[in-house]
Amino acid sequence: DIQMTQSPSSLSASVGDRVTITCRASQIIINYLNWFQQKPGKAPKLLIYGASSLQSGVPSRFSGSGSGTDFTLTITSLQPEDFATYYCQQTYSSPFTFGPGTKVDIK
Amino acid sequence: EVQLVETGGGLIQPGGSLRLSCAASGFTVSSNYMSWVRQAPGKGLEWVSVLYSDGITYYADSVKGRFTISRDNSKNTLYLQMNSLRAEDTAVYYCARDRRFSSSWYSDYWGQGTLVTVSS
Repeated sequence: DIQMTQSPSSLSASVGDRVTITCRASQIIINYLNWFQQKPGKAPKLLIYGASSLQSGVPSRFSGSGSGTDFTLTITSLQPEDFATYYCQQTYSSPFTFGPGTKVDIK
Repeated sequence: EVQLVETGGGLIQPGGSLRLSCAASGFTVSSNYMSWVRQAPGKGLEWVSVLYSDGITYYADSVKGRFTISRDNSKNTLYLQMNSLRAEDTAVYYCARDRRFSSSWYSDYWGQGTLVTVSS
């Protein structure tokens, strides 16, 4: 099974900050990596698919990069509505595992 | 407009069975991949199962042999039959529509979730 790790597990940031979250797969997953945002009590929301493709309707301050085993989600100029937990998920092979999440809260 | 509405959650005793439903509108379930994802209280997301449009299914090791994913094309509804339930199956269960991408897929629409509590 492919294991997904994320770092950091949590971070504190201010509005306007640039935030970078890293996701690492235990084996090569090409670019079959998706990023989700989840707020408390709500369903996850797709941000990025295929490692770097921005989902329709998602603000351009969100971007994804990487291939192989190492991936990054970047939020330029953090906004108040971006405080949430972020998950990566690999869809390269079953079981299609999620990372443990990165909680972004207000500094 | 794409909508997914999960129902069927509730309180169930260990060893019991429950069937979750996910009624879809705005698209055709049978033409898409469809997934179930769960989230235990205060925990992260856990992928549970996927049903491909060609009928192929995959399951997480934690539910394999106990859970079955299926669909009813006439009702445009996805199901998750859960048997031999355990306390560790307690979670909010989400269904999601999956879109094909290259040789893979991603979940672009999610339901609001239904809570399953396994307890005596």
